[in-house]
Amino acid sequence: EVQLVESGGGLVQPGRSLRLSCAASGFIFEDYAMHWVRQVPGKGLEWVSGISWSSGSIDYADSVKGRFTISRDNVKNSLYLQMNSLKIEDTALYYCVKDTGVTLDWYFDLWGRGTLVTVSS
Amino acid sequence: DIQMTQSPSSVSASVGDRVTITCRASQGIGSWLAWYQQKPGKAPNLLIYAASSLQSGVPSRFSGSGSGTDFTLTITSLQPEDFATYYCQQANSFPCSFGQGTKLEIK
Repeated sequence: EVQLVESGGGLVQPGRSLRLSCAASGFIFEDYAMHWVRQVPGKGLEWVSGISWSSGSIDYADSVKGRFTISRDNVKNSLYLQMNSLKIEDTALYYCVKDTGVTLDWYFDLWGRGTLVTVSS
Repeated sequence: DIQMTQSPSSVSASVGDRVTITCRASQGIGSWLAWYQQKPGKAPNLLIYAASSLQSGVPSRFSGSGSGTDFTLTITSLQPEDFATYYCQQANSFPCSFGQGTKLEIK
């Protein structure tokens, strides 16, 4: 089955860190760029970060630049998001998302179910 | 950054109706536009890419058009499963950006 399964979300205090993981299956993971997109429950969608197939191209939204780090392991078919210095406004459902291309083509054709990150004291 | 504005924010329609949702970009994006459908409690699903290309597996009652700054998503003969929230997204310039969403409700 073609799917993405996120894990690692939870409740964390402001200023602390969290690492999200995404396990991919059912497709050739190393052939595609990958992204993280977040959504505050009941609100709209916000792109967070993207990584090309080889990790040679990486981008971040200004809102997370310098605090979040995206990475991937093509052997383990996994995508990661290291989130440091978390802020209350980072609270959201984080989706692992597959790009349609090997580079950052910015069309998202497969989404996981999401993992909820809650930043609160 | 490019701002994407959808209209209306919500629309009520009946099964069998034809519905059109509009998306406007704050600057020209060519045909670099996608449409997504999101049902409550579910992840978004890609419907249309490159403004008018139908994603594999998506019913043909969904269609997209437009280029530059103005785009439309049209759903002909609404089905019960089409009631959801729809988002447009520009893929032309970094960072990609989404519209605020249009909620399609049953009349």
